[in-house]
Amino acid sequence: GESVGLHLPTLSVQEGDNSIINCAYSNSASDYFIWYKQESGKGPQFIIDIRSNMDKRQGQRVTVLLNKTVKHLSLQIAATQPGDSAVYFCAEKGHNAGNMLTFGGGTRLMVKP
Amino acid sequence: GAVVSQHPSWVICKSGTSVKIECRSLDFQATTMFWYRQFPKQSLMLMATSNEGSKATYEQGVEKDKFLINHASLTLSTLTVTSAHPEDSSFYICSARDFQGAQPQHFGDGTRLSIL
Repeated sequence: GESVGLHLPTLSVQEGDNSIINCAYSNSASDYFIWYKQESGKGPQFIIDIRSNMDKRQGQRVTVLLNKTVKHLSLQIAATQPGDSAVYFCAEKGHNAGNMLTFGGGTRLMVKP
Repeated sequence: GAVVSQHPSWVICKSGTSVKIECRSLDFQATTMFWYRQFPKQSLMLMATSNEGSKATYEQGVEKDKFLINHASLTLSTLTVTSAHPEDSSFYICSARDFQGAQPQHFGDGTRLSIL
């Protein structure tokens, strides 16, 4: 079946720096994408989403970029803080998938003080 | 905002016993709930889609007789792991679909299941 994302790599950044987390997807029919943050022992927490008719969306300290040409999604976190340390997952929804989500492999973000 | 409560958050039991996990939508009605399993350092894998008033839809490779799902009301779905064995030890996460909300799913905080 089609899949989303990378296997779990680790990104280590210095507090205050910007972080960029990447995700590749393979389902060209996907029309909606979400970034989730998962802290240890907890469920995924919604961060930001983007629809396929957009290529950029900004939230508070976070920006999601979507490149449909190469099926690539990224999450940018500005001024990374220790509280941002977690595993980040991208998820995609196909056009005819109802609300069913497919999760990518995740990236562990470690913020060094 | 929409809240999904999962209970218990952590359970340890002996091999061969059955364990029930509850997933509740606290402030919205959820005709559809999802059950995921997550192994350490891995992503969430969808196990089944739970539909209120009807049978659950299981993903390929998930044994329906092993993982019994009941969605008897608009706010509660349960997952029962029957005759659990050590290989069933995992982090089980539920989510609920909120038709009125902006997000497609709201997630519970998961249940850590350890089978001895």
